[in-house]
Amino acid sequence: NAGVTQTPKFQVLKTGQSMTLQCAQDMNHNSMYWYRQDPGMGLRLIYYSASEGTTDKGEVPNGYNVSRLNKREFSLRLESAAPSQTSVYFCASSEYRGEQYFGPGTRLTVT
Amino acid sequence: QKEVEQNSGPLSVPEGAIASLNCTYSDRGSQSFFWYRQYSGKSPELIMSIYSNGDKEDGRFTAQLNKASQYVSLLIRDSQPSDSATYLCAVMGTNAGKSTFGDGTTLTVKP
Repeated sequence: NAGVTQTPKFQVLKTGQSMTLQCAQDMNHNSMYWYRQDPGMGLRLIYYSASEGTTDKGEVPNGYNVSRLNKREFSLRLESAAPSQTSVYFCASSEYRGEQYFGPGTRLTVT
Repeated sequence: QKEVEQNSGPLSVPEGAIASLNCTYSDRGSQSFFWYRQYSGKSPELIMSIYSNGDKEDGRFTAQLNKASQYVSLLIRDSQPSDSATYLCAVMGTNAGKSTFGDGTTLTVKP
């Protein structure tokens, strides 16, 4: 039982490059989330998916797209990376009561 | 006003003391409340959830909820150096499944 897994762990991009962050959970949770965390700050919600086939914008969706591929997988895509997207990205999943379980994170640097 | 506010910190307590972490929220319809612990460079980890007014105890941790005052707190008794971390308060509001996080309070427990 791996919980929530994320790939890659680290990534360096040049401005304008694109990439997809992958997330998978094996807890059979309906809801999945993508957050970013900047130094000294809390978590800001980028997108979330309440169930397979649905996605909704969070607090900071600009510059990102998501795909809920199936119940297990939720990916985050940066189409044209910008230095302002340098951050740590966390994926999480939860059941109906809202208790969230986080992946290990992806540390992204955009130069 | 932020939706979820925490003590700005940092908070420093001696080993063996009680650490008190506080959180206020703005959405009166909020239903679920969580405390997460985040060690430096790691992902957040759920340590307590509370859904009704009153106290909930789990080992050295006690969560307290007062919906009338829109206030939730976390007490850590007999604080240990291993409790040194950032503690994030999260509140799930009327939009079921989506939580808002505070910016966190950094706790240092000195031996």
